[in-house]
Amino acid sequence: DTGVSQNPRHKITKRGQNVTFRCDPISEHNRLYWYRQTLGQGPEFLTYFQNEAQLEKSRLLSDRFSAERPKGSFSTLEIQRTEQGDSAMYLCASSLTSGSTDTQYFGPGTRLTVL
Amino acid sequence: AQSVAQPEDQVNVAEGNPLTVKCTYSVSGNPYLFWYVQYPNRGLQFLLKYITGDNLVKGSYGFEAEFNKSQTSFHLKKPSALVSDSALYFCAVRLYSSASKIIFGSGTRLSIRP
Repeated sequence: DTGVSQNPRHKITKRGQNVTFRCDPISEHNRLYWYRQTLGQGPEFLTYFQNEAQLEKSRLLSDRFSAERPKGSFSTLEIQRTEQGDSAMYLCASSLTSGSTDTQYFGPGTRLTVL
Repeated sequence: AQSVAQPEDQVNVAEGNPLTVKCTYSVSGNPYLFWYVQYPNRGLQFLLKYITGDNLVKGSYGFEAEFNKSQTSFHLKKPSALVSDSALYFCAVRLYSSASKIIFGSGTRLSIRP
């Protein structure tokens, strides 16, 4: 069973550095989502793609954040000039359009620590 | 605006007893409702969802949830708790008309004592 995979699983970086995370969705899924989860909170939506098109971005996604899904398969999330407040778990999810009842399946997440 | 409330940060239950994890929601249209479970250092696992139809939804690992439109609630239940059910549970809502984000509650930590 090949679920959603994310790499790396953990990333420690110094403030001001750039980081990039990768998400590989379930192979036939056309929608891909990014969420951020901080300690003690539920995940918060960041952005989503349908195929290669980025259709919605949250106000949480500042100018330092950029996401791509160039071929409609894997996606990358880049954070430039990281800040300590960016420390969180970054979750990726994917779904297959099925009317309006598609279910999002989540990957294991990438835990980012900014020192 | 959509929102989800999980009024209990923690629920403690003895193994073998029934369990309930509470969730209430607020949306302006017809909701899709979800329950996810999160084990330590892992992503969220889908448990069940309510779309339409029967108010009692059955899901994975023996869990079920009851949709109550008048009380805007979607409580998660299990007749007999297992120690392995101990985890963090999230209720979530999505608008019928939205193809994108789901809104999560803050989570309830379920602890099952042997």
